[in-house]
Amino acid sequence: EDQVTQSPEALRLQEGESSSLNCSYTVSGLRGLFWYRQDPGKGPEFLFTLYSAGEEKEKERLKATLTKKESFLHITAPKPEDSATYLCAVLSGSSNTGKLIFGQGTTLQVKP
Amino acid sequence: GAVVSQHPSRVICKSGTSVKIECRSLDFQATTMFWYRQFPKKSLMLMATSNEGSKATYEQGVEKDKFLINHASLTLSTLTVTSAHPEDSSFYICSADRQGMSYEQYFGPGTRLTVT
Repeated sequence: EDQVTQSPEALRLQEGESSSLNCSYTVSGLRGLFWYRQDPGKGPEFLFTLYSAGEEKEKERLKATLTKKESFLHITAPKPEDSATYLCAVLSGSSNTGKLIFGQGTTLQVKP
Repeated sequence: GAVVSQHPSRVICKSGTSVKIECRSLDFQATTMFWYRQFPKKSLMLMATSNEGSKATYEQGVEKDKFLINHASLTLSTLTVTSAHPEDSSFYICSADRQGMSYEQYFGPGTRLTVT
């Protein structure tokens, strides 16, 4: 069964304290792994797509990496405005509808 | 680019009435649109997948007669909650799969439904 697990469930950081969020997945043929940011009361905002092991993508203080079993979202020198819930999702090779399988999310709080 | 809108953003209705939520892709054509429901502090729960001009595919446990989905064009999908009850109160979010853009889904801002 395709599955996505994110850890930790919640993370508190001081401003400037770098860290990483983990997304572990088991899927029958990965067609894509997606990272989203969601602020309270809003829809998820697209961040990155990764397609193959070894791929990396960066955007401002965020960097996403991918291996055959997991993805990391590295946050360098975070600021309070980076506080949000970060969602990871995968698209399985067995899907013919584009259905994403989401993890439960990591809620990040960055304190000034 | 890749903007998805939803209307209304908030709606309050009385038990037994129906509510329609619109989802539009503003600057791209969507191969597929998806409807999600999200409970407080929980992840997204896929309700149904729809393609333009076709019947929606509902996830297991989702009542298709209660949650009517119409995908009228490549830029518009609607979700109608029929005979709403308080337990239908939730945050509903749509997403659109951009044609030719490798399965990336772009989400709307969500609609908060409260049934009294």
